[in-house]
Amino acid sequence: SQQGEEDPQALSIQEGENATMNCSYKTSINNLQWYRQNSGRGLVHLILIRSNEREKHSGRLRVTLDTSKKSSSLLITASRAADTASYFCATDAPGTYKYIFGTGTRLKVLA
Amino acid sequence: DVKVTQSSRYLVKRTGEKVFLECVQDMDHENMFWYRQDPGLGLRLIYFSYDVKMKEKGDIPEGYSVSREKKERFSLILESASTNQTSMYLCASRPGSTGIETQYFGPGTRLLVL
Repeated sequence: SQQGEEDPQALSIQEGENATMNCSYKTSINNLQWYRQNSGRGLVHLILIRSNEREKHSGRLRVTLDTSKKSSSLLITASRAADTASYFCATDAPGTYKYIFGTGTRLKVLA
Repeated sequence: DVKVTQSSRYLVKRTGEKVFLECVQDMDHENMFWYRQDPGLGLRLIYFSYDVKMKEKGDIPEGYSVSREKKERFSLILESASTNQTSMYLCASRPGSTGIETQYFGPGTRLLVL
């Protein structure tokens, strides 16, 4: 399977704490994206990092990419209850139309 | 804002029924996708379409077919619904195929096959 994997599968933290989730993938990529899914809803794009970038920031989000280890991490700083959701990484599959999604990390932020 | 709509949020069907799931996007996107999402398995690609009347199988096409007669509409068809097709179905679209485009998702259809 080419599917990526997120780690941990589930994470529970207190409001104000930082949340870190990791993604590993198996094939070479040009880009990696992170998406968020609120319970029972569709996915929403958060951030994209290209394979020649090592780190990217967007508001309270920080993404890192290590292509040598085929892994990425998403850090959410100063988490809020509204950040409670599932988070998925997605990689392109060069030469195809596909994005390959991981299995997701379920984040719960307790108020 | 890009909007991707799906015809139903919840659907209950009987085994053997023919089921149509409709998806419409309003941003003239070339590419449209159907995924199913199951606990622990993430999103799995069923079919995708890169142009009107063009389609390609994804990773799990068995038991499904698709139709794209107009650019904005992509339909997923379960020819004879089975209980193992109970799942959340997500439609998505994106403008191009360079790999750096955002993929826009619909709200999902939760299908229960009895």
